[in-house]
Amino acid sequence: QKEVEQDPGPLSVPEGAIVSLNCTYSNSAFQYFMWYRQYSRKGPELLMYTYSSGNKEDGRFTAQVDKSSKYISLFIRDSQPSDSATYLCAMSANAGKSTFGDGTTLTVKP
Amino acid sequence: DTGVSQNPRHKITKRGQNVTFRCDPISEHNRLYWYRQTLGQGPEFLTYFQNEAQLEKSRLLSDRFSAERPKGSFSTLEIQRTEQGDSAMYLCASSLVLSANTGELFFGEGSRLTVL
Repeated sequence: QKEVEQDPGPLSVPEGAIVSLNCTYSNSAFQYFMWYRQYSRKGPELLMYTYSSGNKEDGRFTAQVDKSSKYISLFIRDSQPSDSATYLCAMSANAGKSTFGDGTTLTVKP
Repeated sequence: DTGVSQNPRHKITKRGQNVTFRCDPISEHNRLYWYRQTLGQGPEFLTYFQNEAQLEKSRLLSDRFSAERPKGSFSTLEIQRTEQGDSAMYLCASSLVLSANTGELFFGEGSRLTVL
C-alpha cells in the first residue's frame, strides 16, 4: 500500500463550480503538506503548503489538513477553465524528500 | 529566466545504451532533487543533494543509476544499460535549504526518456 493515496479522478466540472481534491496518508511522521499543479508535459508547480493541522487560504484556493484523520484537502472556488490540470498532493516529514500522490486530473468546462 | 533548466528535453535510445541528463538549478539554491514520473503516476523520489553531498538515495535507484553534483552547481543523472522500464520523465527540482521544509521545490520541465 502506498504511503499517500489520492482520489484518482478524473474530475470534470462546469466553470464556477467548487472543486474538492483529497488525499489520505499512512505515515504519522508527515508534518508538511503541499499541493502542486501540473500541466501536461510540464514540471509540477507549488500551489500551497501547510504545516501540521489547520487551514490555509490563498485567493480561490483553500488547503485543509486533518492530522488526526490523516486526510488533506484542496478546495478551489469559482473554478476556471485555466484551472484544468493535474493536481498532486505531496507530504514530507522533514527537510528532504517529498512523497507524492498519483494526482487527480481536473477539467473545468466553460 | 533563472528557473530550473533540464537537458535534453527528450531522449530516445535503444535498450542497453547509456544516457545522461543534466540539471541546472536556480543559482542560489543549494538543494537539488531528482524524481522520476511515469504516465498516470506522481513523481517518485530518486535522490537529493545538499551542495555537492548526496544525502539520500531511494532504493529505486539501482546500481545502473548514478547522480553527481560536482562543485554543488549543476547535476547529472546517468543511466547505464538502459531498459524499457526506465522510460519515464526525469524531473529535477531545487530549493533553498531553509525552505525545503516547506516543500517549496522548484521543478524543471523534465527530461523525457524513451527506451526502444
